[in-house]
Amino acid sequence: SAVISQKPSRDICQRGTSLTIQCQVDSQVTMMFWYRQQPGQSLTLIATANQGSEATYESGFVIDKFPISRPNLTFSTLTVSNMSPEDSSIYLCSVEGLAQETQYFGPGTRLLVL
Amino acid sequence: DAKTTQPPSMDCAEGRAANLPCNHSTISGNEYVYWYRQIHSQGPQYIIHGLKNNETNEMASLIITEDRKSSTLILPHATLRDTAVYYCIYTGTYKYIFGTGTRLKVLA
Repeated sequence: SAVISQKPSRDICQRGTSLTIQCQVDSQVTMMFWYRQQPGQSLTLIATANQGSEATYESGFVIDKFPISRPNLTFSTLTVSNMSPEDSSIYLCSVEGLAQETQYFGPGTRLLVL
Repeated sequence: DAKTTQPPSMDCAEGRAANLPCNHSTISGNEYVYWYRQIHSQGPQYIIHGLKNNETNEMASLIITEDRKSSTLILPHATLRDTAVYYCIYTGTYKYIFGTGTRLKVLA
């Protein structure tokens, strides 16, 4: 399975600022995904980030708030812009697995916005 | 939305089999069933997946009913480290819709 790392692992930020989260995978993958997990909730897909194309956002998520970069086949970033306390969540990236739409998840970035 | 129904919580004695049910009555013919677990807010861990045949790997077994409307994840000999939230998902694409899952507590 792929080894995925995320930076930072956690952060505390002030409202109105932005944070960029990095996701690095140890092998080349076409598809990467970004999820949000709000406190006590399940995971929600934010967007799909394929190398060489614009990210595809799910309903309720917009590029201005969550810009995504995918410069190569092993790396992606998610920025949480103009943060508010409601953005306090765990943000996770995942990548395609080897078999039928399986996914491998990173460890997550725990964000607290004050 | 591809919603599944799972009991919110279950307890299991250490060393016993844990049987976690999932209802996916609106599953389509080309959609697979996937099981993941999440331990202490870490990233979800893939467990197993299947289409219509029962599947087994080193972690678990997956039993899918003949009409494919429900499935059961079986952890044959649960340990304390299996305490986690278990998610059942069905999809034919990479678009995962996570439900609330089952919080499994393995008791010593």
